[in-house]
Amino acid sequence: DGGITQSPKYLFRKEGQNVTLSCEQNLNHDAMYWYRQDPGQGLRLIYYSQIVNDFQKGDIAEGYSVSREKKESFPLTVTSAQKNPTAFYLCASSVDRGYEAFFGQGTRLTVV
Amino acid sequence: AQSVTQLDSQVPVFEEAPVELRCNYSSSVSVYLFWYVQYPNQGLQLLLKYLSGSTLVKSINGFEAEFNKSQTSFHLRKPSVHISDTAEYFCAVSAIRGYQKVTFGIGTKLQVIP
Repeated sequence: DGGITQSPKYLFRKEGQNVTLSCEQNLNHDAMYWYRQDPGQGLRLIYYSQIVNDFQKGDIAEGYSVSREKKESFPLTVTSAQKNPTAFYLCASSVDRGYEAFFGQGTRLTVV
Repeated sequence: AQSVTQLDSQVPVFEEAPVELRCNYSSSVSVYLFWYVQYPNQGLQLLLKYLSGSTLVKSINGFEAEFNKSQTSFHLRKPSVHISDTAEYFCAVSAIRGYQKVTFGIGTKLQVIP
């Protein structure tokens, strides 16, 4: 079945450490996105990529980095520069920007 | 720029009662409109969408939404809710042309009371 896979589902990180969240899709979609979800704030866009080897900052990119070396993969690194990283992270893909998005199951990151 | 307003953060409703979740948007250009549903600790799933044509769109599980251009609204309705409808619902908008960024509302938690 086609879909988006995020791993791990739960992740714990010590303060000062970088951590990478995985996102893989087999839908052959060009566009991929990372969102952060906090209670009462909806979804906020961190980064998006419309094509391999190209990505753009979203609304809250500070403290995050991404890469897009393959069409299927769009990993997100939460760096130690992100001051409040505890959140639910959602990866999504779409045929193109602006079209309906397909979401992964999310990764809940907790800083301990 | 575009924005989405979901005025109700939580909506409690008794089982088998009707419900309306409100969504208003702002955009200087024509838009696509979406409703997504999220169950606890899961990703979002597309519930229904308006791209063009008939302003009334329906989902397979009984929800419907009507695009009202003059009121810039896309309210979600269901005539009779079920316990399994308990979830968080997000309205989203994207411009048909131009930047095409998808903007989400802050979500409305629907709590169905037995």
